[in-house]
Amino acid sequence: NAGVTQTPKFRVLKTGQSMTLLCAQDMNHEYMYWYRQDPGMGLRLIHYSVGEGTTAKGEVPDGYNVSRLKKQNFLLGLESAAPSQTSVYFCASSYSKSRLETQYFGPGTRLLVL
Amino acid sequence: AQTVTQSQPEMSVQEAETVTLSCTYDTSESNYYLFWYKQPPSRQMILVIRQEAYKQQNATENRFSVNFQKAAKSFSLKISDSQLGDTAMYFCAFMKPLGAQKLVFGQGTRLTINP
Repeated sequence: NAGVTQTPKFRVLKTGQSMTLLCAQDMNHEYMYWYRQDPGMGLRLIHYSVGEGTTAKGEVPDGYNVSRLKKQNFLLGLESAAPSQTSVYFCASSYSKSRLETQYFGPGTRLLVL
Repeated sequence: AQTVTQSQPEMSVQEAETVTLSCTYDTSESNYYLFWYKQPPSRQMILVIRQEAYKQQNATENRFSVNFQKAAKSFSLKISDSQLGDTAMYFCAFMKPLGAQKLVFGQGTRLTINP
């Protein structure tokens, strides 16, 4: 049971390049989330999904797209990277629609946009 | 919208001392959940403790306890007998219980435990 994994762990992009971050969970969780963490700030929600095939915008969605084609995977895409997207990205997942569950976090992906 | 504020950017104490981290929040909801997460240098987010707003009793987990003051919208974390391994960033977070269970985080407090 690997929990929540993220790929890659670290990436350097040039302005304008695109990339996809992959989040995978093996806990059969319904809900999945993408957060970003910037220095001096807490985690902020980018997008989230409450089930396979569904996605919704969070607090800071601009410049990102997501897809949840399979229940266990949640992809975060940057179509045209900007230096303002330099950050650490965290994926999280949780289980139930009807009761509180703890969010389990992945180890993070550090992204540097030059 | 809910907001979470941690007014102490950094704190430092000696090993074995007790330390209290502050958190205030703003919401119009009557029922909600509050959390403290720990982020050590490894960057892994680890749940420390959680509190349900409708429960009057303060949550405790071993050396970690909270002081939940609903009327004052205050949720502080007390760490007793602090250990070197407690050195980390600590984040307070708020969640509405229904819907997508989204977390709203505070800015964090960097806690250093000195030997």
